[in-house]
Amino acid sequence: DAGVIQSPRHEVTEMGQEVTLRCKLISGHNSLFWYRQTMMRGLELLIYFNNNVPIDDSGMPEDRFSAKMPNASFSTLKIQPSEPRDSAVYFCASSLTGKNTEAFFGQGTRLTVV
Amino acid sequence: GENVEQHPSTLSVQEGDSAVIKCTYSDSASNYFPWYKQELGKRPQLIIDIRSNVGEKKDQRIAVTLNKTAKHFSLHITETQPEDSAVYFCAASRGGADGLTFGKGTHLIIQP
Repeated sequence: DAGVIQSPRHEVTEMGQEVTLRCKLISGHNSLFWYRQTMMRGLELLIYFNNNVPIDDSGMPEDRFSAKMPNASFSTLKIQPSEPRDSAVYFCASSLTGKNTEAFFGQGTRLTVV
Repeated sequence: GENVEQHPSTLSVQEGDSAVIKCTYSDSASNYFPWYKQELGKRPQLIIDIRSNVGEKKDQRIAVTLNKTAKHFSLHITETQPEDSAVYFCAASRGGADGLTFGKGTHLIIQP
């Protein structure tokens, strides 16, 4: 298995534009987590899903952020409209519920909003 | 929700010495406590974890201790080496499908 795969690796966009980040889970995993990492705030949990269902989205900063799992192996995180303060590294991670709660991280998407 | 505090934010030790990083958590229902290592520009990766039914766990030069009564856990690295230089994150979770709540991280610097 190639592990958790995120795309794109880097994204530079202008303020006000829509940004979509993508994540492919490890095959067989059923929990999916989106994290945001900044120097000031560290690693913040934005939202997590279990069996395609959003369980807790209390970490999503604003209504401009939305996340979906259209199927068991894929998720998107969308920011619309984007703002400079959204600049960060966004990680997704997956795990297998009930067997091992270790979370495996993707390589991250570095987002820069100018 | 869970709140995890981690100290220190930066730790500099001489090569060969030991390093200790401490974390506290707030949710008494948390029962899973992993530690992740993140090298510059890379993803966090699990190095060791401990569950609430165990007080201590060791894997070669790294060990983790857990005190459930006091709600704190610590990472111990002995005989530090240059490749130990990285940012270390502690985390806590109720397990199952619950997400991990991370501490702010400790930048460990190994001085030659």
